[in-house]
Parts: sequence; C-alpha cells; structure tokens
Amino acid sequence: GQNIDQPTEMTATEGAIVQINCTYQTSGFNGLFWYQQHAGEAPTFLSYNVLDGLEEKGRFSSFLSRSKGYSYLLLKELQMKDSASYLCAAMDSNYQLIWGAGTKLIIKP
Amino acid sequence: ETGVTQTPRHLVMGMTNKKSLKCEQHLGHNAMYWYKQSAKKPLELMFVYNFKEQTENNSVPSRFSPECPNSSHLFLHLHTLQPEDSALYLCASSQARGGQETQYFGPGTRLLVL
Repeated sequence: GQNIDQPTEMTATEGAIVQINCTYQTSGFNGLFWYQQHAGEAPTFLSYNVLDGLEEKGRFSSFLSRSKGYSYLLLKELQMKDSASYLCAAMDSNYQLIWGAGTKLIIKP
Repeated sequence: ETGVTQTPRHLVMGMTNKKSLKCEQHLGHNAMYWYKQSAKKPLELMFVYNFKEQTENNSVPSRFSPECPNSSHLFLHLHTLQPEDSALYLCASSQARGGQETQYFGPGTRLLVL
C-alpha cells in the first residue's frame, strides 16, 4: 500500500537548525511536497522536489532521494513563528497526494 | 478576495440537520478538492473535481454530497451526520496539468456534530 512516515512531534530552540524527515512508499512517484500548517489555519505550500538533491529557499531547504524514498525539510535560524505542523505529501502515478500525519514542531526560546 | 475562501469557518450541527459548506477559488484553477482533517491523522481526500467532473470519490459515505457548478465553486452538502464526522474540512484547488500540481488550501470549516 501507499504510506508516508514522519515523526509526530519535534522540539527545537530558537535560532537553531532542525531537520524533519519523511519516508514514503507510493505507486509511482510524481514529486514530494512540504506544507506548513499553523494551528487553526490552512496548510500553505513550502516546497516541491521531483529530482534528487537539495532545493534551498531562504531559511528553508528540502532534500529528496528517490532511490531511498526519503525526503527532509531543513529549517535554519529558527524563529518562534516557525512553530507549526509540517506536512509531507508524495504524489503518486495518478497525481494524487498521499499525506503524512504531520510533524508538530515546537520552538522554545 | 484572493486565493481560496471557505464559508462558514465554524459550524455546529445536530445529527438530523442539513447544512452546506461552500468553497470558492480565485486562482483560475481547473481542479478542486475536499479533504477531511482529523487530529493527528493524515489528510483524507474525499472528492476531486477536474474540469467540473468528479474524478475521485474514495468511498465517502453518502451523507456527504459534493456539488461543483463551475470551476470556481465547490459545495459539500451534509445530512444526517455522525459525531465521528466532526473534523476540519479543507477545500483546495490546483491547476491540473500532469506535472507539479501544487494544491492551494482554504482556511477550512471546523465542523462539530452533536
């Protein structure tokens, strides 16, 4: 079956770096998405990877290894506003998104 | 209005009520989606409309009935719901083109069924 695994919760310190991992198993693969969701708000798009490697976008970077079925989201210079849930989703051969349950990131001063 | 809007933002209903959720997208997209989000669970895809045609159902109970009158509007009609249907209902839209189809979400409707 199709499956996405990511940690339920992580804690990090303001100003530090945190890496949120995601492993996926899908029928076919058309890319890996990361979304950020603050409590009570809509998920917002952060990044998309379809080729192996690292994509950098400001303080956020996303990495993909297709052979390992693995991705991570790297957040640098953490700010209190980065406290949110981070959702990993893989697109299968039918262009349907398979979602993880999300990683709740808690930032401490 | 920009992006994807949803109304109402909050809804409390009894199990015998009938209500409708509304979604509108102002992005010129051709695909719209209904998702159910329950605490600590992955987003569950309920319905997909592509060019106003329903393409996915995902075995959703018949007490949920979607309607897509045009590519900008999507409704979810609710009747005789159960308490376990209490959740956040999210609408999303995308430009379906067989490649990177980034979905953009509305703020959701928080539904409580008593």
